[in-house]
Amino acid sequence: EPEVTQTPSHQVTQMGQEVILRCVPISNHLYFYWYRQILGQKVEFLVSFYNNEISEKSEIFDDQFSVERPDGSNFTLKIRSTKLEDSAMYFCASRRDRGPLEEKLFFGSGTQLSVL
Amino acid sequence: DQQVKQNSPSLSVQEGRISILNCDYTNSMFDYFLWYKKYPAEGPTFLISISSIKDKNEDGRFTVFLNKSAKHLSLHIVPSQPGDSAVYFCAARGGGSQGNLIFGKGTKLSVKP
Repeated sequence: EPEVTQTPSHQVTQMGQEVILRCVPISNHLYFYWYRQILGQKVEFLVSFYNNEISEKSEIFDDQFSVERPDGSNFTLKIRSTKLEDSAMYFCASRRDRGPLEEKLFFGSGTQLSVL
Repeated sequence: DQQVKQNSPSLSVQEGRISILNCDYTNSMFDYFLWYKKYPAEGPTFLISISSIKDKNEDGRFTVFLNKSAKHLSLHIVPSQPGDSAVYFCAARGGGSQGNLIFGKGTKLSVKP
């Protein structure tokens, strides 16, 4: 079964550094998402992306965050200047369509970001 | 602002018995509800869903019930198996959104042999 792939599985960085989290969504999917889960808390929506632009973003997704689909396969999340509170598991997800039978998101296995 | 609430952080059930996981929501505009299962070090995986126009959806051992008037849904697993031990997240799709999901905090299910 096709799957969403995320790299790296773990990323350790110093506070203030830039990080890029990478995702390869399922190939025929059109909608892309980033979520995150801080340890012990719920999975939180960050941003959705469709047709090469952000379609929706949460309050968490401030100017320090950006997303990009640099080619036909990768979908990246960049944090320009990481803060301690950015430490979390970041999940990429994708969906083929928005029709009534395609509501479920497929998630990657996540990137654990640790900001020191 | 918790629009999707899972009030039980954990649940322990004996193998073979029924597991019932509960979820409450506050936004009447939600039009689609999903349950995801998550194992440690893995991403959430889709389990079962229900549209707001239905009150029940069944898939093998898993059944989801929706009570719109009470803004409540539940996931029933019967019979429960040790492999079902995981964190279960309830999620809702906001009406009119681009399909982003709002998740509850999850319930950790432990099925004991």
